[in-house]
Amino acid sequence: KNQVEQSPQSLIILEGKNCTLQCNYTVSPFSNLRWYKQDTGRGPVSLTIMTFSENTKSNGRYTATLDADTKQSSLHITASQLSDSASYICVVSVLVLKDSNYQLIWGAGTKLIIKP
Amino acid sequence: NAGVTQTPKFRVLKTGQSMTLLCAQDMNHEYMYWYRQDPGMGLRLIHYSVGEGTTAKGEVPDGYNVSRLKKQNFLLGLESAAPSQTSVYFCASSYGAGETDTQYFGPGTRLTVL
Repeated sequence: KNQVEQSPQSLIILEGKNCTLQCNYTVSPFSNLRWYKQDTGRGPVSLTIMTFSENTKSNGRYTATLDADTKQSSLHITASQLSDSASYICVVSVLVLKDSNYQLIWGAGTKLIIKP
Repeated sequence: NAGVTQTPKFRVLKTGQSMTLLCAQDMNHEYMYWYRQDPGMGLRLIHYSVGEGTTAKGEVPDGYNVSRLKKQNFLLGLESAAPSQTSVYFCASSYGAGETDTQYFGPGTRLTVL
């Protein structure tokens, strides 16, 4: 069964500190991996997309890594700010062969709280 | 551009009542989606549409119906609401469903069924 698991479920850090969020997946056939940010009361917003051949991608203070061999990804946030408080969701894209579309498998997210 | 908008933002229903959630996008996207988000779970796809006049079932379609009469609008209907349908509903749209197509989300509708 295709699954995406994220850890930790929640995390509290002080403003200015760095943190790393983890994502493990068991999907086949793997197409790409995405990280979304979801502010409280809002819809998810895409941060990064990494294909099989990419092992790192940055978006400002956010850096995502992908190890396709171990089926793991991480999202590293540098010099955290209060505005980074949000849920971060790992999403894996799977090719659905029967209709040639890509299905998204969503993780449950990590809730990150930045304290001043 | 407003992007993806959803109405209403909040709604409380009694068991057995019906309602329609409206999603509108102004990005000329072909693909539109309806998801539900429940605590501790990933987003689950309810129905989707690959273009005007088309609809297809997602992962959890039971108890919901959809229509895409105009390219920019995607309606989600609950004919007879049940407490299990208490959730936050998100609409999304994308240009396509290719390998790196990005889905753009609306702000969500919080629905409570008593």
